[in-house]
Amino acid sequence: GQNIDQPTEMTATEGAIVQINCTYQTSGFNGLFWYQQHAGEAPTFLSYNVLDGLEEKGRFSSFLSRSKGYSYLLLKELQMKDSASYLCAVRALSSGGSYIPTFGRGTSLIVHP
Amino acid sequence: GAVVSQHPSWVICKSGTSVKIECRSLDFQATTMFWYRQFPKQSLMLMATSNEGSKATYEQGVEKDKFLINHASLTLSTLTVTSAHPEDSSFYICSAKNVRGRYEQYFGPGTRLTVT
Repeated sequence: GQNIDQPTEMTATEGAIVQINCTYQTSGFNGLFWYQQHAGEAPTFLSYNVLDGLEEKGRFSSFLSRSKGYSYLLLKELQMKDSASYLCAVRALSSGGSYIPTFGRGTSLIVHP
Repeated sequence: GAVVSQHPSWVICKSGTSVKIECRSLDFQATTMFWYRQFPKQSLMLMATSNEGSKATYEQGVEKDKFLINHASLTLSTLTVTSAHPEDSSFYICSAKNVRGRYEQYFGPGTRLTVT
């Protein structure tokens, strides 16, 4: 099975930078996703890392270290609309032979003025 | 591009009845669709993987006779919750993988099911 761990909740100030960590244990690793989910809505894709290193996309960056089973999502210049749940999902080879993403519990980020 | 729709967006039904939820990929073909369930303040739990033209693969602990999945075409998958009970009340979300895509899944807006 897979074990994905991320903090339950974080708070930050508008305009600041916040880093959301995700650690995982899995076999057959084939990539890690970050999704943003606002309350009552479906997740929206933020990033995908399959190789080690940092991927930057505007205000959001995602980092992966496969040897450490570790990833983080970095959000810069925080805005109030960034208040949401951030889901870490690990893509791995299932027993059925297909690649299935498994989601962590999500980190609820609260941005305050 | 890459839009996935779900219908209905919310439904209230009585205990013992069945409810069908549709998931459609509107502008791409999806050989694989995933069905998730999400309880309040919890993460998405994968229920089953649906492949066009074949039987769905259910995750451990998910009753395939209760949650019927049909993936009849490259743009449509349906989830039927049979003999629904209050504990089935949840947010059901589908996602679709583009047949031409490498890894990315596109999520539908979700269906809020309430069983009374």
